[in-house]
Amino acid sequence: GAVVSQHPSRVICKSGTSVKIECRSLDFQATTMFWYRQFPKKSLMLMATSNEGSKATYEQGVEKDKFLINHASLTLSTLTVTSAHPEDSSFYICSARDVGLGLTGGVYGYTFGSGTRLTVV
Amino acid sequence: LAKTTQPISMDSYEGQEVNITCSHNNIATNDYITWYQQFPSQGPRFIIQGYKTKVTNEVASLFIPADRKSSTLSLPRVSLSDTAVYYCLVLNRDDKIIFGKGTRLHILP
Repeated sequence: GAVVSQHPSRVICKSGTSVKIECRSLDFQATTMFWYRQFPKKSLMLMATSNEGSKATYEQGVEKDKFLINHASLTLSTLTVTSAHPEDSSFYICSARDVGLGLTGGVYGYTFGSGTRLTVV
Repeated sequence: LAKTTQPISMDSYEGQEVNITCSHNNIATNDYITWYQQFPSQGPRFIIQGYKTKVTNEVASLFIPADRKSSTLSLPRVSLSDTAVYYCLVLNRDDKIIFGKGTRLHILP
C-alpha cells in the first residue's frame, strides 16, 4: 500500500531556532498534502493545505510566517517552524492525497505520516 | 464538509464485538464514509471506507443504512491492541479532512 514517510519522528530544539519537518510520499505522487498538529488527548487540527508548485493555504488562526510550508515536488512537502517557542511543542502530522484513485486509504486516498513530536525548550 | 457525531468514549472487553456508531446527517451524494484508527504518538491509519450497505475487510465491517445519515463501524472480537481513538469522516475527492473528536475506545482484559 501507499506509504507516507515523515522525518524526523522526534526533535528537540531551543527557543528561537527553526525546525524543518519533511513529509514524503514514497510510492505515489501527491499533488496535495495536509499538515496537522495535535495536542495531548485532542483531535488533529488542520493547519494548512499544501499544493505542489503553489502557495499553501492556511487555516484561520495559523500564522503563515511562523509555519512555512513548501511543496516543491509531487513527493515532498516540508513544514518549517520558525522562531520556535515552547507553545509550539506539539505532535505534527502530515497527510498526502494521491493523484490516482484507490491507491491509498480507500477510494479517496489519504495516507498519513507517522508524525513528528516537537519539543521546544 | 459534512460534520460527524460519534461517542466520545467506549469501553469493552477482550473478545467482544464493538460497534461504534457515527451520525452524518448532512452527507453529500459524492461523500464516502471513512474510518481511521489512531494510536498514541502515531498518525491515523485507514481502517475501512464505504458508500452504502455493507463493507467488510480483514479488520472491520462498516454498515451503512439506505439514507446514509449514519454508519456503524464493527470490530469483531477485539483485543487489548484495539485500544485507540477511532475517527469517523465523510470524504470526497476535493475536500480536506477535518477531524472531529473521535471515539476513544478502551479495551479491558
